[in-house]
Amino acid sequence: GNSVTQMEGPVTLSEEAFLTINCTYTATGYPSLFWYVQYPGEGLQLLLKATKADDKGSNKGFEATYRKETTSFHLEKGSVQVSDSAVYFCALRYQTGANNLFFGTGTRLTVIP
Amino acid sequence: DGGITQSPKYLFRKEGQNVTLSCEQNLNHDAMYWYRQDPGQGLRLIYYSQIVNDFQKGDIAEGYSVSREKKESFPLTVTSAQKNPTAFYLCASTLAGGQSYEQYFGPGTRLTVT
Repeated sequence: GNSVTQMEGPVTLSEEAFLTINCTYTATGYPSLFWYVQYPGEGLQLLLKATKADDKGSNKGFEATYRKETTSFHLEKGSVQVSDSAVYFCALRYQTGANNLFFGTGTRLTVIP
Repeated sequence: DGGITQSPKYLFRKEGQNVTLSCEQNLNHDAMYWYRQDPGQGLRLIYYSQIVNDFQKGDIAEGYSVSREKKESFPLTVTSAQKNPTAFYLCASTLAGGQSYEQYFGPGTRLTVT
């Protein structure tokens, strides 16, 4: 079946530190991959996505590359800010008509000044 | 402004009562979804609907019911049969058809049942 395994948190970093949040997936076929971000008390927002192998999604300084050979989609940012503190979810969309997403458990990031 | 609204933001109920959570979208999206979020867990799909008057069970549908009488509305009823209803509930919508379209999420409703 389809599943997403995400690095467990919480993660605490100092401002301007390098961020990596690991995400690996299990799926048959060729899923699309997503990173969503949830700020405190809010719903989820799409951060970036990639739809095929070797695609790189990027937004707001965050990047993730779809690696089919390692079934991974790790999230990175070179220099985090306090405003990046949030919960980050990796998700997979299997290529069916239902467009259902399978989510990882989320990783809480706290950035301290 | 287009988007998804969920109301209320916080909801309190006594055990044994049914409660209905509202979800409305003005994005003209065909598909709508309900998720449940618990601490330390990812989002779990409760129900989804691809078109009006049609819906399917997700992974954790027991104790919940939905309706989809209008394209823009997808209310979720948490029934007294749901054994552990206290959670954060998120509604989402997306265009049906095409490739790689994102799901847009509402701000969520936090339900507390005592």
